[in-house]
Amino acid sequence: DTEVTQTPKHLVMGMTNKKSLKCEQHMGHRAMYWYKQKAKKPPELMFVYSYEKLSINESVPSRFSPECPNSSLLNLHLHALQPEDSALYLCASSQDWDGNYGYTFGSGTRLTVV
Amino acid sequence: AQTVTQSQPEMSVQEAETVTLSCTYDTSENNYYLFWYKQPPSRQMILVIRQEAYKQQNATENRFSVNFQKAAKSFSLKISDSQLGDTAMYFCAFMKRGRGMRFGAGTRLTVKP
Repeated sequence: DTEVTQTPKHLVMGMTNKKSLKCEQHMGHRAMYWYKQKAKKPPELMFVYSYEKLSINESVPSRFSPECPNSSLLNLHLHALQPEDSALYLCASSQDWDGNYGYTFGSGTRLTVV
Repeated sequence: AQTVTQSQPEMSVQEAETVTLSCTYDTSENNYYLFWYKQPPSRQMILVIRQEAYKQQNATENRFSVNFQKAAKSFSLKISDSQLGDTAMYFCAFMKRGRGMRFGAGTRLTVKP
């Protein structure tokens, strides 16, 4: 298995909903990451799970909550989102803790907040 | 903070020709990593090439090569023998060990038949 699998591929949610995005890898990679990508923009780093701890980009609102149940799974819990949170959410993993060899990305979840 | 600049929003090239995409970055670090990723319409980010800053030799991967100028903080990507499948958004990325990868704004490359 050489993939990062993200589910669902598409998600439409209301501003009062609670939903979760799932990211899974079975490559034995040590670190995982969440990125947000707006249309025609580069991906922006949201969270890093490395060295068995979560690091949070301080600019990310608290309505986004990451969870790492085990080393191969990284969830992103969503609550009370705003329409401006609509974006492509990309998950990635790296074989080493620091990502020195680059990241393997999933195909993303296209999120629309209505 | 590190910044990555891609000054060419869009470029085009004829099939089988060569094209160079530019990237500059700003950092006070000495040890770091640089990457080029492509993102086709399928939206998955695909690693094209990787360069370690402490290595002077330019990285190459088949038709893809880089010109890494550490003093000038420049990291350009050359694509030789361009193919239609090379059409994509190309992102230059900077990474200091353990700090997460930061991307430039991207260059949209179109390969014309």
